[in-house]
Amino acid sequence: AQSVAQPEDQVNVAEGNPLTVKCTYSVSGNPYLFWYVQYPNRGLQFLLKYITGDNLVKGSYGFEAEFNKSQTSFHLKKPSALVSDSALYFCAVRPGYSSASKIIFGSGTRLSIRP
Amino acid sequence: NAGVTQTPKFQVLKTGQSMTLQCAQDMNHNSMYWYRQDPGMGLRLIYYSASEGTTDKGEVPNGYNVSRLNKREFSLRLESAAPSQTSVYFCASSLDASNMGYEQYFGPGTRLTVT
Repeated sequence: AQSVAQPEDQVNVAEGNPLTVKCTYSVSGNPYLFWYVQYPNRGLQFLLKYITGDNLVKGSYGFEAEFNKSQTSFHLKKPSALVSDSALYFCAVRPGYSSASKIIFGSGTRLSIRP
Repeated sequence: NAGVTQTPKFQVLKTGQSMTLQCAQDMNHNSMYWYRQDPGMGLRLIYYSASEGTTDKGEVPNGYNVSRLNKREFSLRLESAAPSQTSVYFCASSLDASNMGYEQYFGPGTRLTVT
């Protein structure tokens, strides 16, 4: 079965420290991978995506993510966390073979940055 | 440029009542989607419209109907609301569903409670 896992419900980081939000996937074909962020009472906002090419992709607000095909992972990272990064983060994947409509979302990871 | 807009923001229904959630986008996107978000479950696709004039079922279509009124507007109808439909509903759009690399843009959501 196609799936996306975000193994941590919550990640707590001190401001200024690096952060990582984990995502692993299990899909057939070459995946298209996305990260979205959701602030309280708001819709999801696109952060970054991996389609092909360089395994390290950079996105909005200083975030980056590394695609690791052998580990089937796409972890979200930031070198120095800000309090304003506190939000709910979703990993999403489109299986490479499927119709374009089918995107699978992870269950979300709540990131909390303490001052 | 408002992006994706949804109305209403909040709604309380009694079991058996009907209602329509409205969604509009001003980005000239071809494809539109309806999701529901439940705690710990990520987002689940209800229906989507790959292009004007077409609609298809997603993962959880039972109890819902949709109408792609024109290129800008995509509505979601609950004919007979049930408590299990208590959720936050998000509309999204993307440039073209046939290109799996395109990200989706989300509206602010409608918080629906069915009593």
